[in-house]
Amino acid sequence: GAVVSQHPSRVICKSGTSVKIECRSLDFQATTMFWYRQFPKKSLMLMATSNEGSKATYEQGVEKDKFLINHASLTLSTLTVTSAHPEDSSFYICSATDRGQYGYTFGSGTRLTVV
Amino acid sequence: AQKVTQAQTEISVVEKEDVTLDCVYETRDTTYYLFWYKQPPSGELVFLIRRNSFDEQNEISGRYSWNFQKSTSSFNFTITASQVVDSAVYFCALSESNFNKFYFGSGTKLNVKP
Repeated sequence: GAVVSQHPSRVICKSGTSVKIECRSLDFQATTMFWYRQFPKKSLMLMATSNEGSKATYEQGVEKDKFLINHASLTLSTLTVTSAHPEDSSFYICSATDRGQYGYTFGSGTRLTVV
Repeated sequence: AQKVTQAQTEISVVEKEDVTLDCVYETRDTTYYLFWYKQPPSGELVFLIRRNSFDEQNEISGRYSWNFQKSTSSFNFTITASQVVDSAVYFCALSESNFNKFYFGSGTKLNVKP
């Protein structure tokens, strides 16, 4: 079946630094990837949608300059949290689809803690 | 606008009890997909089921069963003879198509006590 690898699974960083999270589709070409954010004990909220080779489409209220999304290839999308602050601490999870036989697959998530 | 409501924030049951998790959705689309995911403490989302809007047949998979009723816009999930390993947060979600963004409900935390 379709597998999406998300790395790292956990990261702790200092306030003011940037953190990059990778999302890879291992056995299919992901034409579209989605990035979600989940606060503790809350639901998952869509941050942005990225199509390969295009600029990401951000949901209302999501800061484009803080959450940089790059989808440069059909198997890799990255989310960079720039100048991270403690309020950016959250669980980030990606999902990918080939809009075909592989359907829709979630990565295993990244728990970001900013200290 | 799309919306998914899981009114039950947390449910506690004793092992072997049956439990039903409710999910009510709103959408103007005639074609849509409904999902249930399990999220254990480790955080990953475990896929349980996908149902498209044209298939109202109920489904059973082992101890799990789902009741889809378009008339009431509900897609409820029942666990029969619950087990401690069923303890997790369960999310119901709606997608406008098979490959579009998800709208998640707020989740129901299920505690199954021995």
